[in-house]
Amino acid sequence: QVQLVESGGGVVQPGRSLRLSCEASGFTFRNYGMHWVRQAPGKGLEWVADIWNDGNNKYYGDSVEGRFTISRDNSKNTLYLQMNSLRAEDTAVYYCARDDLNLGNAMDVWGQGTTVTVSS
Amino acid sequence: QSVLTQPPSVSAAPGQKVSISCSGSTSNIGNNYVSWYQQLPGTAPKLLIYDNYKRPSGIPDRFSASKSGTSATLDITGLQTGDEADYYCETWDSSLGAVLFGGGTQLAVL
Repeated sequence: QVQLVESGGGVVQPGRSLRLSCEASGFTFRNYGMHWVRQAPGKGLEWVADIWNDGNNKYYGDSVEGRFTISRDNSKNTLYLQMNSLRAEDTAVYYCARDDLNLGNAMDVWGQGTTVTVSS
Repeated sequence: QSVLTQPPSVSAAPGQKVSISCSGSTSNIGNNYVSWYQQLPGTAPKLLIYDNYKRPSGIPDRFSASKSGTSATLDITGLQTGDEADYYCETWDSSLGAVLFGGGTQLAVL
């Protein structure tokens, strides 16, 4: 079945780095754009970044621009989020989501999320 | 403060109807498709509506949505206790070059 599985979350000190992964299965990964969306404890959804299906176009939210990098390896059906210079306010559950052009670019498949805690 | 404004909470009795609004501007809702997501407690968001009013397969017709100008509305009829969740609108903002989510609306079915 269509599935996204995130991994790589954990506890990290402020200023350090972390890389999240999102492994896709059950669909042709290279045909879809992908997003990272996060949710701080008790807060709403915040879009983090997205990448086109071929990896050539990337967009970022203001709060992570210059610190986070989204990338993908279509040969491995995997999406990544490299997070540098982490701050306490980056603490959140991070979800990856599939972007379906046929559904008006809605996010139609979501992973279960991976938790990132930035704390000293 | 979200660019897309939703009421923090709404409530209604089982079997009743509730409407959740999402207000934006010409650079986002006014000129782009709106999607709606349901997030049940402790779970990942789920797509409810895309292209302003269309339902993905498997979404019951109790869920409907519309868009007018720079505002969008999600309607839920025949409320069930299982509908208690947070609901988010989402769209692209052409000026910001960013995806936007509304602040979310918590639905209570009393």
